[in-house]
This record gives sequence, structure tokens and C-alpha cells, in this order.
Amino acid sequence: SYALTQPPSVSVAPGETARLTCGGDNIGSETVHWYQQRPGQAPVLVMYFDSDRPAGIPERFSGSNSGDTATLTISRVEAGDEADYYCQLWHSLTDHWVFGGGTSLTVL
Amino acid sequence: EVELLESGGGLVQPGGSLKLSCAASGFDYSGYAMSWVRQAPGKGLEWVSIVYTGGSRKYYGDSVKGRFFISRDDSRKTLSLQMSGLRVEDTAVYYCAKNRADYAAFDNWGQGVLVTVSS
Repeated sequence: SYALTQPPSVSVAPGETARLTCGGDNIGSETVHWYQQRPGQAPVLVMYFDSDRPAGIPERFSGSNSGDTATLTISRVEAGDEADYYCQLWHSLTDHWVFGGGTSLTVL
Repeated sequence: EVELLESGGGLVQPGGSLKLSCAASGFDYSGYAMSWVRQAPGKGLEWVSIVYTGGSRKYYGDSVKGRFFISRDDSRKTLSLQMSGLRVEDTAVYYCAKNRADYAAFDNWGQGVLVTVSS
């Protein structure tokens, strides 16, 4: 089965840029989606098809995907961005939906 | 506004069965695939199952295949997950999620329901 690898934690100061990575074998040939999950809440889709933002998601959130790494970039990080972030893809060959292990973003 | 409301969670003994339900509103329910995603305490997200529009096409994660059964009732706008042969490792919050029209991602989630498998 296809595996997605995320670093367990990332820390960034307010106003700085957070880059959250998601690794997978030739992940650039797949389309990756990202979710934000604040403590005690359900996940929220913040990026789909690598770099498309759903309505209501700030422009500070952007995404890219190439080679073996997909990246969710959060510019001008705010305290409210502190959450767990999960990458996900649909592995169409096996009809399985796969999540990465998640990255806990801490705003210092 | 899309709303997904799960119910049916609770405490069950290992080997037991439980049925989860999800009531949907605020969108054309019959026009979208629907999924279950779970999250064990302190752990990450795990996709469990999907049912496509029409209800005939279904897929399951490897850890639940053969034990869980997903179904949908478009007339009642409900999604169900029949769980049997439950194991301690099935303990999790189970989320009902609406798939995007392209199936690839989950664009709306319920608040989740806790299933605890313990003796």
C-alpha cells in the first residue's frame, strides 16, 4: 500500500512561514489534499488538488507537489493556525484513500 | 449549509457489533460518495470505507475489510456503518465525511462519534 510520511512536529514563530511536508514515492504524479484539525474538532479541508484552496481558506495557505514531496505552506503564521495537519491522497490503483501520520504545528 | 450528524457510538465488548449512522442535510446527498474515517485516541486519521453514489460500489480499508459493512439510504439521507467482530484496536472517533464530486478528497466532516471496544 502507498505510504505518506509527515514530520511529527513543526514549530514556527508568529508572522513567519511554516512549510509542512508530505513525502511519498513519486508523490508528484498524484494529487494531494491537506486537512487542518484543531484540538477537539473535526478535520477541515484546507487544500485540494495540490494547490487549490476551498472557499473560506485564507490566501496565506498555499500548496505545491513535485517529485517525492508535497508541501503545504502557511505564510504569516498566526496563533490560530496551531493545529494538526494531515496530507491525503486517493490511490486510484487500489481504491484506497491514504492519510499521512500528521504534523503538529506549534506557533511559538 | 452541509451538516453531517453521527450517532450510534458507545462501549462494546471485543467481538461485539455496533452500527453507526450519519444523518446528512444541506446538500444533494444522492449525488455524492460518502465515507467513514476514524481516529484512534491520540493518533492520526485512518480512512475506513467509502460508498459511491447509487450504493453498489464500496471499498474498505485493509484493517476493517470483511468485518465492517457500509451502506447508504438516499431516501432518508443517511449513511451507515455496520461493525462486527470488533477489536480493541477499533477504538476510535468515527467521522462521517462527504467526498468531493471527484471522490478524491473529503470536503465536509461530521463532529464524530466515539466507539470504545473494551472488556
